[in-house]
Amino acid sequence: DAGITQSPRHKVTETGTPVTLRCHQTENHRYMYWYRQDPGHGLRLIHYSYGVKDTDKGEVSDGYSVSRSKTEDFLLTLESATSSQTSVYFCAISLSGGADSPLHFGNGTRLTVT
Amino acid sequence: KQEVTQIPAALSVPEGENLVLNCSFTDSAIYNLQWFRQDPGKGLTSLLLIQSSQREQTSGRLNASLDKSSGRSTLYIAASQPGDSATYLCAVSGQGAQKLVFGQGTRLTINP
Repeated sequence: DAGITQSPRHKVTETGTPVTLRCHQTENHRYMYWYRQDPGHGLRLIHYSYGVKDTDKGEVSDGYSVSRSKTEDFLLTLESATSSQTSVYFCAISLSGGADSPLHFGNGTRLTVT
Repeated sequence: KQEVTQIPAALSVPEGENLVLNCSFTDSAIYNLQWFRQDPGKGLTSLLLIQSSQREQTSGRLNASLDKSSGRSTLYIAASQPGDSATYLCAVSGQGAQKLVFGQGTRLTINP
């Protein structure tokens, strides 16, 4: 798991409620990423961070926000959950973000919005 | 916009065979290409990373090649084992920050 912990592992929530997913790393890697994985769409980047308080949008960022106040933690917040946000969410980390730095993934959070 | 395609979507072979998984991408201006495996209910495990200046990488029974000009990569698995059964995904990164674009994967089953 490359020292990556995602919490919770499973969550069921109702439409319209806010939800926060947490990614914690013990590797002191600079780059952190949030992806979602859906049948027919594969893995898509939501947001990423290149340092404390430094974040940027990915391909499917609408409806999501992120925060990174410490190197080891990257939070993903669904402001008002919708059924289309039912998915498996993966956190990933990269030491430098460079061409020679592979991504390491956590085990995912399965989110169901009812 | 970069698009990554993996064909076939599923593959089933008997144990012991050598096999090749294919990955193609539409934009040759890539930073690197990575191969991952994903077991059911689990995250992705990084297998091999090929930088844009490299042609291939090897790890044990795995060999990945990269041909940027034709927009193709292959993952060769030698002497396949039942434990190799998983979904294999390739992903390419454009310039900087490792923002990967993933293929949809090939689901590989090795039959004992």
